[in-house]
Amino acid sequence: GESVGLHLPTLSVQEGDNSIINCAYSNSASDYFIWYKQESGKGPQFIIDIRSNMDKRQGQRVTVLLNKTVKHLSLQIAATQPGDSAVYFCAETPSMNNNAGNMLTFGGGTRLMVKP
Amino acid sequence: GAGVSQSPRYKVAKRGQDVALRCDPISGHVSLFWYQQALGQGPEFLTYFQNEAQLDKSGLPSDRFFAERPEGSVSTLKIQRTQQEDSAVYLCASSLRAGSTDTQYFGPGTRLTVL
Repeated sequence: GESVGLHLPTLSVQEGDNSIINCAYSNSASDYFIWYKQESGKGPQFIIDIRSNMDKRQGQRVTVLLNKTVKHLSLQIAATQPGDSAVYFCAETPSMNNNAGNMLTFGGGTRLMVKP
Repeated sequence: GAGVSQSPRYKVAKRGQDVALRCDPISGHVSLFWYQQALGQGPEFLTYFQNEAQLDKSGLPSDRFFAERPEGSVSTLKIQRTQQEDSAVYLCASSLRAGSTDTQYFGPGTRLTVL
């Protein structure tokens, strides 16, 4: 498949370590934030989301932190595994109540490489 | 169940040719989105359908790009007179409802290369 993220910033971690991937967003109207994982040749895969009325949300081995003051989002992956190797994108969307759907605005992405 | 599927997975076109890219969303999903992903970048929004209605086409880069979803299920993205700058991965996503926080599920994409 095609290669994703040839020129993306890269985070290299040892298997078993924790990983932290950061994202800055610019739209203060954004109300809903999502982290996606994209492996080479595949489409983005939903990992975890968070609404702006929260500052932390936990899933299985993943935690998302939101700091609205500085418009910063982070994804923490506990006990990183080789299967976590991929490009990670944050995405944002303003939350509207008109049920007209909302396009996602994606950040630039970070490549995570897990060394066995 | 089956996820979002797209065809073809790879398409090579000569500059000036027309192409048609197909998206089969998850069955029953109301919302359908098209995104364009250049190499090394995040996806960028092109257009949005709610059932058969195209509610937002603000991301389409030129009038050479046209999308349709005539029966509210399968969608086709057509690019006329392709240019080299159209080379990218075209991603389709669908969500169950039209709510702002409904999870978008992505297909594998179509890699378009314009020579």
